[in-house]
Amino acid sequence: AQSVSQHNHHVILSEAASLELGCNYSYGGTVNLFWYVQYPGQHLQLLLKYFSGDPLVKGIKGFEAEFIKSKFSFNLRKPSVQWSDTAEYFCAVKSTGGGADGLTFGKGTHLIIQP
Amino acid sequence: DTAVSQTPKYLVTQMGNDKSIKCEQNLGHDTMYWYKQDSKKFLKIMFSYNNKELIINETVPNRFSPKSPDKAHLNLHINSLELGDSAVYFCASSPLQAGYLEAFFGQGTRLTVV
Repeated sequence: AQSVSQHNHHVILSEAASLELGCNYSYGGTVNLFWYVQYPGQHLQLLLKYFSGDPLVKGIKGFEAEFIKSKFSFNLRKPSVQWSDTAEYFCAVKSTGGGADGLTFGKGTHLIIQP
Repeated sequence: DTAVSQTPKYLVTQMGNDKSIKCEQNLGHDTMYWYKQDSKKFLKIMFSYNNKELIINETVPNRFSPKSPDKAHLNLHINSLELGDSAVYFCASSPLQAGYLEAFFGQGTRLTVV
């Protein structure tokens, strides 16, 4: 079974600071990797995803993530955060074998951006 | 034009009651899911279902049952509600084709059991 670990449960930054949220996964096979964001009171929205190819993937709103296979990591980055980035961020993994099993999520990182 | 829609958005009910949450997707996806988000924001899959198989997370009590009248709907029925069932429940869907496994989520249903 796969598992996902997010190292930072709460992160507080000032506007314009750089952001990096850690994500490590555990799974013996090939996986697809995702970062979702949940703004206060809203549903989950996909920020970015990695399926194959270039390990550096760019998503919406200036976010990017790098898949490092040797480290089983998929860290999320943004060079300069904004107040509107305040949200809950979830890393997720899914095996690539098809089938109907769903995403395995990390416990989330609550990001607060101070003006 | 909501892709994945859930009703109701909020549900307050007493212990012991039976309730259902409805989910519909208009994306033509093959697979639908139910996730539970607890008070600590932890998301865990409860069920995934397509027209061929139902996969149940073994930690889900059998008071919870998914019901799919057709490919576009996956409703969640809960019997004998307990206080610990209070959570936000998210429906999601995804295509089943290998290599394209992104899930789209509904707005969530906040269930409060009193």
